[in-house]
Amino acid sequence: EVQLVESGGGLVQPGGSLRLSCAASGFTFSSYAMSWVRQAPGKGLEWVSAISGSGGSTYYADSVKGRFTISRDNSKNTLYLQMNSLRAEDTAVYYCAKDQSPLELGGSIDYWGQGTLVTVSS
Amino acid sequence: EIVMTQSPATLSVSPGERATLSCRASQSVSSNLAWYQQKPGQAPRLLIYGASTRATGIPARFSGSGSGTEFTLTISSLQSEDFAVYYCQRQPWTFGQGTKVEIK
Repeated sequence: EVQLVESGGGLVQPGGSLRLSCAASGFTFSSYAMSWVRQAPGKGLEWVSAISGSGGSTYYADSVKGRFTISRDNSKNTLYLQMNSLRAEDTAVYYCAKDQSPLELGGSIDYWGQGTLVTVSS
Repeated sequence: EIVMTQSPATLSVSPGERATLSCRASQSVSSNLAWYQQKPGQAPRLLIYGASTRATGIPARFSGSGSGTEFTLTISSLQSEDFAVYYCQRQPWTFGQGTKVEIK
C-alpha cells in the first residue's frame, strides 16, 4: 500500500524558515517524480515544486522560486521541501504527491499525503 | 504560461441528475489533462487522466472528454458521495481554480 506521510509543518514568523519532510512507502520511490502541492485556507490547489526520480531535475512555481528548495533522499525514501523567507501568503496545507507514471515528470498525481499545515504569522 | 479556467465556479445539482463540469486551457494541452475530486478535510483523489481514462477504482459514472483546449468531466448520475470540489490539472502541474458541486 502506498503511503505518503508529511511532517514538519507549524507556526513560523514572516521571514523564517521551515523544512517539510515526506516519508514514502509501498512503491519504488526512486522511480517516481514527486511534487509538493499546497492549498491556502478555503482556496484551490497550487502546485509548488517537483523533482525527478533521480533528483537531478527540479522545478518551481514562480511564487516560490528562489525561496524554496525541493530535494529527495532515495536511500531514505524521503522527500523534502526547504522553505526560506516565508511570507504570510505561504500559509497553506502542503501536500506531498506522487506522479502516476514511473520515469515521467509532471504527469498526473495518483497518491497524496494527508497534508501538513504551515502557518506564517507574527 | 498556460492558464486553466474551470466553469462554473459552483454547480447546484439534485441527486440522480447529471453534472457537467468544464475546463478550458488558454492554449492547447493535447490530452495532458487530469481531473481530481476533493472533499472537505481530505486530500484530492485522482479521477481521470489523459483527459478520458478513469483512474483505478473510479466508478463508471465519471467520464472525461475533450482535447486541445476544451475538456469536460461528466458525472452521469450524482450520488451523495459525489458532492465535492473538482479540479482539472494540465500536465505538467497547472491546476484550475475548481468547481464546487453542491446539493440543489
